Amino acid sequence: EIVLTQSPATLSLSPGERATLSCRASQSVSSYLAWYQQKPGQAPRLLIYDASNRATGIPARFSGSGSGTDFTLTISSLEPEDFAVYYCQQRSNFFTFGGGTKVEIK
Amino acid sequence: EVQLVESGGGLVQPGRSLRLSCTASGFTFGDYAMSWVRQAPGKGLEWVGFIRSKAYGGTTEYAASVKGRFTISRDDSKSIAYLQMNSLKTEDTAVYYCTRVRGRRNFDYWGQGTLVTVSS
Repeated sequence: EIVLTQSPATLSLSPGERATLSCRASQSVSSYLAWYQQKPGQAPRLLIYDASNRATGIPARFSGSGSGTDFTLTISSLEPEDFAVYYCQQRSNFFTFGGGTKVEIK
Repeated sequence: EVQLVESGGGLVQPGRSLRLSCTASGFTFGDYAMSWVRQAPGKGLEWVGFIRSKAYGGTTEYAASVKGRFTISRDDSKSIAYLQMNSLKTEDTAVYYCTRVRGRRNFDYWGQGTLVTVSS
């Protein structure tokens, strides 16, 4: 089973700041990596697929990069609605999710 | 508009069974693989299993934690996916989400989830 490790577990930032979230895979997942955002009481929402492609309707301040085992989700300037939990997910070997990174207001 | 609506959750005793349904609308259901993802209270996301479209054999895959106990099926004529859960354990307590699989690689639409509580 491919394990995804997300860091940091919690990121404390202010609106307008840049957020950088990391996801590391225990073995290569090529570019089969997606990112999701989940707010309290809501279902997750697909943000990024295939490592760097924004899903429909996702603002340009969200970007993804990486390949192989190291991936990054960047939010260029945090808006109030961006404070949430973010998960990465791989599809190289079945499906697994990372443990999540909570982006909280500092 | 794509919509996925789960139903069938509730309180069930350990060892018993429960069947969840996912009713889809707004897209050609038979063209897509469908998946179930769960989330235990206060925890992260866990993939449960998925079913391929008939074009890819309609076959299923499951996470090791549920293999042999859970079964996913589909009725394309009704646009419904099912999750049959047998021999339920307390650790199966979670919100269960139905998702559409995009490109066989990720989950582009999610239902609102249905809570399953396994407790005596």
